[in-house]
Amino acid sequence: SAVISQKPSRDICQRGTSLTIQCQVDSQVTMMFWYRQQPGQSLTLIATANQGSEATYESGFVIDKFPISRPNLTFSTLTVSNMSPEDSSIYLCSAAYNTGELFFGEGSRLTVL
Amino acid sequence: GESVGLHLPTLSVQEGDNSIINCAYSNSASDYFIWYKQESGKGPQFIIDIRSNMDKRQGQRVTVLLNKTVKHLSLQIAATQPGDSAVYFCAENKSNQAGTALIFGKGTTLSVSS
Repeated sequence: SAVISQKPSRDICQRGTSLTIQCQVDSQVTMMFWYRQQPGQSLTLIATANQGSEATYESGFVIDKFPISRPNLTFSTLTVSNMSPEDSSIYLCSAAYNTGELFFGEGSRLTVL
Repeated sequence: GESVGLHLPTLSVQEGDNSIINCAYSNSASDYFIWYKQESGKGPQFIIDIRSNMDKRQGQRVTVLLNKTVKHLSLQIAATQPGDSAVYFCAENKSNQAGTALIFGKGTTLSVSS
């Protein structure tokens, strides 16, 4: 299985600021994705992080709010921009091999005051 | 639209019992399914997967059953232990193209009492 490291693991932020979450995978994977998990809820796909090109966003998520980078096969960042309390959530990085198995990091728990 | 759901939000069992967690999916084009376990404060942990060309797959103490006719997925845990207490999610691939993301169901919280 892949080892996926995310940082920060948690943060408390002020309304209106932005936070960038980093994700590092220990081996080359084919796909990387970002998910959001609101308190007590399931996981919702935000976007597919594409290497060297713009991410592919799901309905309800836009690049201006959640800019994503993936400069190489093993690293990606997600920025949560102009945060509001509604953005308080766990943000999860995931990575997949060709086999389709999807592995997750431990998540970044964000609290917006 | 595409969705994956679970029948019960919570399940309580005694240690040593067998647990069955159910999931219904709606996308008949999905051909890959995974069960995840999520403990408090942690990311989802891969348990077992199954492809649509199979009806059953067994792992260590876990079995996944797939019924494509009624679009139903289940996870069976044998001899449930307190360490199995967690939230369990089923997930299906968003499309049958290689490398697509997974869509997650709502989750079932399994509580194991000793």
